[in-house]
Amino acid sequence: KQEVTQIPAALSVPEGENLVLNCSFTDSAIYNLQWFRQDPGKGLTSLLLIQSSQREQTSGRLNASLDKSSGRSTLYIAASQPGDSATYLCAVRTGANNLFFGTGTRLTVIP
Amino acid sequence: GAGVSQTPSNKVTEKGKYVELRCDPISGHTALYWYRQSLGQGPEFLIYFQGTGAADDSGLPNDRFFAVRPEGSVSTLKIQRTERGDSAVYLCASSLQRDRTDTQYFGPGTRLTVL
Repeated sequence: KQEVTQIPAALSVPEGENLVLNCSFTDSAIYNLQWFRQDPGKGLTSLLLIQSSQREQTSGRLNASLDKSSGRSTLYIAASQPGDSATYLCAVRTGANNLFFGTGTRLTVIP
Repeated sequence: GAGVSQTPSNKVTEKGKYVELRCDPISGHTALYWYRQSLGQGPEFLIYFQGTGAADDSGLPNDRFFAVRPEGSVSTLKIQRTERGDSAVYLCASSLQRDRTDTQYFGPGTRLTVL
């Protein structure tokens, strides 16, 4: 069964810092990998989706990379802002149609 | 346009009661998913519908859980004889399901508390 791990579980950084969130998965036979943001008491907002044939995707201050063969992905956030504070989840899609999620990284950006 | 909506946003019930949770997907999305998220965990897959039929229900934890989507749009997740361990946020997602590259769009969830 696919297992997804996210490190660190929690992270606090001062405003303006660049940061990297890590995601690893055990089965490299994936269709795609998706990064989500979850605010307290809210649903999930999709940030970036990387297809298995792609190496990275960028959206604004966010950049996600994928190394399928080693089972790793990173989410890079540039020039962090207090509004970036949230839990970040990565999820992989395998042969089944559902997503396998990690447990998330809780990010706090201190003003 | 409207996103995925879920009702109620919060549900408090007593152990042993029956509950229904509703999901209204994005119009035109043929695929619908239910996930369950326990405190401090990532969402876990429950069931996937393609149209009206449950294409994969392998994530349902036991036979107290059942879901329907009779007209291929709105879905209802039904939980019988609720237990305290059923307390969680239940998330619904939908996608166009042209292929497995599609993005899943999530609703805000229903927070279920079983006392």
